[in-house]
Amino acid sequence: NAGVTQTPKFQVLKTGQSMTLQCAQDMNHNSMYWYRQDPGMGLRLIYYSASEGTTDKGEVPNGYNVSRLNKREFSLRLESAAPSQTSVYFCASSEYRVEQFFGPGTRLTVL
Amino acid sequence: SQQGEEDPQALSIQEGENATMNCSYKTSINNLQWYRQNSGRGLVHLILIRSNEREKHSGRLRVTLDTSKKSSSLLITASRAADTASYFCATGPFMNTGFQKLVFGTGTRLLVSP
Repeated sequence: NAGVTQTPKFQVLKTGQSMTLQCAQDMNHNSMYWYRQDPGMGLRLIYYSASEGTTDKGEVPNGYNVSRLNKREFSLRLESAAPSQTSVYFCASSEYRVEQFFGPGTRLTVL
Repeated sequence: SQQGEEDPQALSIQEGENATMNCSYKTSINNLQWYRQNSGRGLVHLILIRSNEREKHSGRLRVTLDTSKKSSSLLITASRAADTASYFCATGPFMNTGFQKLVFGTGTRLLVSP
């Protein structure tokens, strides 16, 4: 069991470029999440998918889009990257009413 | 907006000592969870305590919950250098689908020196 995997691990973008962060889980969880972590801010929820076929905005969704491709995969897209999106991005998954399992993170720098 | 706020922000102790970190939250809860994050890694779930529980143990971890004060504490006994990490509390509402929308605090950075 790999758990939650994320690609890429590191990425450097120029302002205005686009990219997609990939996330997959092999635990057959219904719910998946995207968070960003900035120094001193804790984790903030960007988007979540309570179940396959549904997505909803979290606390900081502006500048992002998501796709729940199937039960295993949940991708996060930055259409036009901005320096304010420099952060560490974490994907997580869970079953109902229990703990979340996190991936190793993607460190994104936008110049 | 943060649902949970940890205190202290940073804690430095010697191996063998106990470490206590606190979490305060704002609204009524169904459960509260504690997570650990080693430097540069993802978060790992440690323990979940439900609103009708006052204390819970897991190995060297002891979590208490006081719903009247809207606070929780995490105690790590006989700490080890490997316990060096950031610790986060998290809680949040359950949506209609049964999914829980967690909000994380800003964390306590624990340093355990040999």
